[in-house]
Amino acid sequence: DAGVIQSPRHEVTEMGQEVTLRCKPISGHNSLFWYRQTMMRGLELLIYFNNNVPIDDSGMPEDRFSAKMPNASFSTLKIQPSEPRDSAVYFCASIDRGGEQYFGPGTRLTVT
Amino acid sequence: AQSVTQPDIHITVSEGASLELRCNYSYGATPYLFWYVQSPGQGLQLLLKYFSGDTLVQGIKGFEAEFKRSQSSFNLRKPSVHWSDAAEYFCAVTYTGGGNKLTFGTGTQLKVEL
Repeated sequence: DAGVIQSPRHEVTEMGQEVTLRCKPISGHNSLFWYRQTMMRGLELLIYFNNNVPIDDSGMPEDRFSAKMPNASFSTLKIQPSEPRDSAVYFCASIDRGGEQYFGPGTRLTVT
Repeated sequence: AQSVTQPDIHITVSEGASLELRCNYSYGATPYLFWYVQSPGQGLQLLLKYFSGDTLVQGIKGFEAEFKRSQSSFNLRKPSVHWSDAAEYFCAVTYTGGGNKLTFGTGTQLKVEL
């Protein structure tokens, strides 16, 4: 198995631009999580889905952030418009039936 | 609300020395506990987990952790550290009915001196 796949691995954009991060979970995993990691705030859960349905989005910082999971094999996290304080590493993770979360390699976002 | 405390932000040990990383959690229900490792530029990898049963759990790369309910702790140990163990280590907790939603500690950065 290829594991959790995230794209792009690195994204540099200018303030005000729209950013879309993508995630492909491991096949057969029915829950997906989006995290953000920064030096100041550590690892924060933004949102998670069960069976493609958003369950808890209380970690989404603002209306500028949105996430979708149109099917079991794909999810997106969108930031519109982006701001410099959104610069972080964004991780996607999926979970197996044993409760283990498998993390993707992350997308390093830099907003200038 | 559940929380996880990793009191040591940075730890430095010599290669071959023993290691213990501390983790304390706070939640009334039975916790499910995890240790993850993150190498620079990488995602998080699961080292070990505790759900129930034997309170001493073995993980990958020679790591082990002991669940102590009386101390609300789940400390990670390794008898002999290798230079390749240098990384950041995260303790995490969830609980029955938590929807697999993990709460992470702030992490401990491990440096290994040769």
